[in-house]
Amino acid sequence: LAKTTQPISMDSYEGQEVNITCSHNNIATNDYITWYQQFPSQGPRFIIQGYKTKVTNEVASLFIPADRKSSTLSLPRVSLSDTAVYYCLVVPMNRDDKIIFGKGTRLHILP
Amino acid sequence: GAVVSQHPSRVICKSGTSVKIECRSLDFQATTMFWYRQFPKQSLMLMATSNEGSKATYEQGVEKDKFLINHASLTLSTLTVTSAHPEDSSFYICARSGMNSNQPQHFGDGTRLSIL
Repeated sequence: LAKTTQPISMDSYEGQEVNITCSHNNIATNDYITWYQQFPSQGPRFIIQGYKTKVTNEVASLFIPADRKSSTLSLPRVSLSDTAVYYCLVVPMNRDDKIIFGKGTRLHILP
Repeated sequence: GAVVSQHPSRVICKSGTSVKIECRSLDFQATTMFWYRQFPKQSLMLMATSNEGSKATYEQGVEKDKFLINHASLTLSTLTVTSAHPEDSSFYICARSGMNSNQPQHFGDGTRLSIL
């Protein structure tokens, strides 16, 4: 299982764009990159997933370079409610395979 | 809306009690579900993989006789913490596998277990 490394914590201000980068040097060919958000006392919530290049949905964008050894989650115009822990995961294509959580990035949005 | 329902959301009980936590897949029949444990300020730790119709696969260091997992139907997995002690107090979270390959896991909202 590929290991991920991301910043332990980040601070930003309301209205700013926040970029969280994750490294996954030993990602396998069949692995996807998936990001989750977790609020206190709640289960993780799926944000976005990608395999290569760029993926965008209504809440975030995910940038993946050609070598796929890293990825960047981009949150546009954050608000106080985006304060949470964000987990970058490398997920096997087989849906029944387990995934291992890293330490995540604790994002704190300031007014 | 939620695709995984976890119940109860919070349990407080005395030491020595056995506690059952239910995890239901609401939107499709999941042959595989997962149980995690999370201590304060820490990441999720995978405890076991629950397989419908067969024995669960436990991660190293997780006592299978302590944490009983039953996956008797395609929509329900249960975790029973047997003879719980204060050190078992934690946040327990279940997840169901993706509907297809490359589909993400979806998580329940967790169960806060407090053993007095």
